[in-house]
Amino acid sequence: EPEVTQTPSHQVTQMGQEVILRCVPISNHLYFYWYRQILGQKVEFLVSFYNNEISEKSEIFDDQFSVERPDGSNFTLKIRSTKLEDSAMYFCASSSHSDTQYFGPGTRLTVL
Amino acid sequence: KNEVEQSPQNLTAQEGEFITINCSYSVGISALHWLQQHPGGGIVSLFMLSSGKKKHGRLIATINIQEKHSSLHITASHPRDSAVYICAVHRGATNKLIFGTGTLLAVQP
Repeated sequence: EPEVTQTPSHQVTQMGQEVILRCVPISNHLYFYWYRQILGQKVEFLVSFYNNEISEKSEIFDDQFSVERPDGSNFTLKIRSTKLEDSAMYFCASSSHSDTQYFGPGTRLTVL
Repeated sequence: KNEVEQSPQNLTAQEGEFITINCSYSVGISALHWLQQHPGGGIVSLFMLSSGKKKHGRLIATINIQEKHSSLHITASHPRDSAVYICAVHRGATNKLIFGTGTLLAVQP
């Protein structure tokens, strides 16, 4: 069964460093999403992406964040200058339309 | 106030018990999702529904649009059902999901 994959599974970085989280969505899906979950809190929407552009973003998704679909298969989330409060589990998801979203296993980001 | 509220926050059951988890929402939605999050963190979609009732194996999900309420039922619960169950809603004009805080279910043998 097709699945969403994410790499790395765990990323440790120093405050102020740039990180890139990578996702490979399900191949025939058109909508892509990033969510995050701070430890002990609920999952929060960051951004959705369709037709090679951001379709919606939350107030969390400020100028430090960017997304890209560089090669037609990968979908990346870049955080330019990480802060301690960026430590969280980041989930990528994809869907074929406005229906069931399929989630990746997540990347645990730890900012020291 | 959260747009999506779940109850209870924590639930402990004995194997075989019938379990109900509730979700209430305060916004207009196009669909509601029930998801399962395992201890390792992975999220699996269980149901998406916009009306009525859906059943998959021992899981049943219902939604009442007028009352803005949904329930997830687990029949003949088993320790492997232990997980966090999350309610999330799609608002009408957007694809983003708005999540509830989750219900931590522990089923004891």
